Parts: sequence; structure tokens; C-alpha cells
Amino acid sequence: GAVVSQHPSRVICKSGTSVKIECRSLDFQATTMFWYRQFPKKSLMLMATSNEGSKATYEQGVEKDKFLINHASLTLSTLTVTSAHPEDSSFYICSAREAANYGYTFGSGTRLTVV
Amino acid sequence: GQQLNQSPQSMFIQEGEDVSMNCTSSSIFNTWLWYKQDPGEGPVLLIALYKAGELTSNGRLTAQFGITRKDSFLNISASIPSDVGIYFCAGRGTGNQFYFGTGTSLTVIP
Repeated sequence: GAVVSQHPSRVICKSGTSVKIECRSLDFQATTMFWYRQFPKKSLMLMATSNEGSKATYEQGVEKDKFLINHASLTLSTLTVTSAHPEDSSFYICSAREAANYGYTFGSGTRLTVV
Repeated sequence: GQQLNQSPQSMFIQEGEDVSMNCTSSSIFNTWLWYKQDPGEGPVLLIALYKAGELTSNGRLTAQFGITRKDSFLNISASIPSDVGIYFCAGRGTGNQFYFGTGTSLTVIP
């Protein structure tokens, strides 16, 4: 089945630095990937839709300059949290859809802690 | 972003009991998905529904796409300890993106 790899699984960074999270589709091409954020014991909130070769579409209330998304190839999307602050600490998860079907596969997530 | 109403929020049941949870939306959806998430992991797809009225099973799990297209249901029969986790519904309208329910935390007592 489709596999989505997300890296790193955990990262701790200092306030004010930037962190890049990678999402790769391992055995399929994904023209569209999605980035979600999840707070403890809460649901997944869609942050943005990442489109290969074009600009990402951000959900209302998500700062595009804060959360930079790049989808440079059909197998890789990256989310960069710029000038991170403690309130950015969260669980970030990506998902991708194999073009041929409607199944959405999720990465294993990245636990970001900003200190 | 949009969020779906999912109930119950949490359940504590005895091993062997059946479980029911549901998800409702204010808008019509064309696809409903049900996921299970273990702590620290990403959600794993359990069942996908594509048509109003559709009833689909995956082992002890059965899910239905409501005929109004604004709701969906998930049932787990004869629960076992490994069913513990958080279950999420997700719905998609005319766009590409899915929106998630608020989650149901399931605890199975042996």
C-alpha cells in the first residue's frame, strides 16, 4: 500500500530558529499533499494544501509567512516553521493522496517542541 | 478550517462490548473516511465511504455513509484491548481537502 514518510519524528528547537519538516511519498507520486496540526487530545486541523509546482493554499487563520510550504517534486513536500515560538509547539502531520485513487495516507507525524 | 462534530467524545467499555460513534456535518460531503490514531502516531485509515447509504465493513468494523450525506457512523463489534485509541471521522465536500471530526477516545477495559 501507499507509504508516506515524515521526518524528523521529533525535534526540539530554540525560540527564534526555523525548523523544516519533510513529507515524502515513498512508492507513489502525490500531486497534492496536506499539512495538519494537532494539539494534545485534540483533532487534526488542516493548515494548508500543498500543490506540486505551485503555491500552497492556506486555511483561514494560518500564517503563510510563518509556515512555509514547498512542494518541489511529486514525492516531496516540506513545511518550514519560521522564527518558531513556544506556541508553535505541536504535532504536525502530513498526508498525501495517490493520484489514482481516493485513499489518503498519513505520515507518522513530527513532534515539535520550541523552548 | 471546518471541523465536524463527532460523538461521543470518549467511551469506556468492557472487552467484548460493541461500540458506536457518529460524525455530523453542517454541509454535504461526498466522501467519508474513518481513521484510528495511536498516541504519537499518524492516523491510519480504517474505512472509506464514497456513496450515500453505503455500508462497508472491515473485519469487526462497519461504517455507514448517511443518506443525508451530512453524517456517518462507525461501529466496532466485540471490542478487544487493541481497539484502544482515538477514532476520527473525516469528510470531503467538493474540494480536495478533508476535514476532521473532533475525535472519539476509546478505552477498552479487559
